[in-house]
Amino acid sequence: NAGVTQTPKFRVLKTGQSMTLLCAQDMNHEYMYWYRQDPGMGLRLIHYSVGEGTTAKGEVPDGYNVSRLKKQNFLLGLESAAPSQTSVYFCASSRRPGLAGGPHQETQYFGPGTRLLVL
Amino acid sequence: KNQVEQSPQSLIILEGKNCTLQCNYTVSPFSNLRWYKQDTGRGPVSLTIMTFSENTKSNGRYTATLDADTKQSSLHITASQLSDSASYICVVSARNSGGYQKVTFGTGTKLQVIP
Repeated sequence: NAGVTQTPKFRVLKTGQSMTLLCAQDMNHEYMYWYRQDPGMGLRLIHYSVGEGTTAKGEVPDGYNVSRLKKQNFLLGLESAAPSQTSVYFCASSRRPGLAGGPHQETQYFGPGTRLLVL
Repeated sequence: KNQVEQSPQSLIILEGKNCTLQCNYTVSPFSNLRWYKQDTGRGPVSLTIMTFSENTKSNGRYTATLDADTKQSSLHITASQLSDSASYICVVSARNSGGYQKVTFGTGTKLQVIP
């Protein structure tokens, strides 16, 4: 199994350009997530999905859109890139958490990251 | 506001020595706490997970402790190896009524093990 893979590994964009980051997982996980990681800050959740066809906003969703048309894929789109979106983007996936009130012990499995530079 | 603070920010130790990393959190209601290891240029990988009823968990040379009363956790690395050089991230999840659980990531401790 490849686990979680991300495409591309590195990209340089000019301000205003658009692009799509692709995340794929082969573990049949229900949940998928997009994070960004910036120096001196913890990973911050951009968007997430609890199943095929569903998406939800995370902590820092502005300037990003997502789609989950297939269970194994989660796409992150930047419609008009800005220098503030220069970051390392990580995708993750996990099984569906346990029952309400019970321990939520579903580990997130992360991809290798996509380094994005917006000039 | 849920917060996770880690200390120290960075640490350099000699190969073979032990070290302890700290994590303080204010996440509520608490569900579980994980420690992740992130090698440079890679995604984080889970090391341990503890719920409120667990106060210690080991994974090889890694031992995590949790004090839910004081909202503190530590990660102890025994007999360090060069391959332990990485960032170690404390992640705390908040309990909710179901579905997605809000997680808060610490900024990490960057550990460098030197020969």
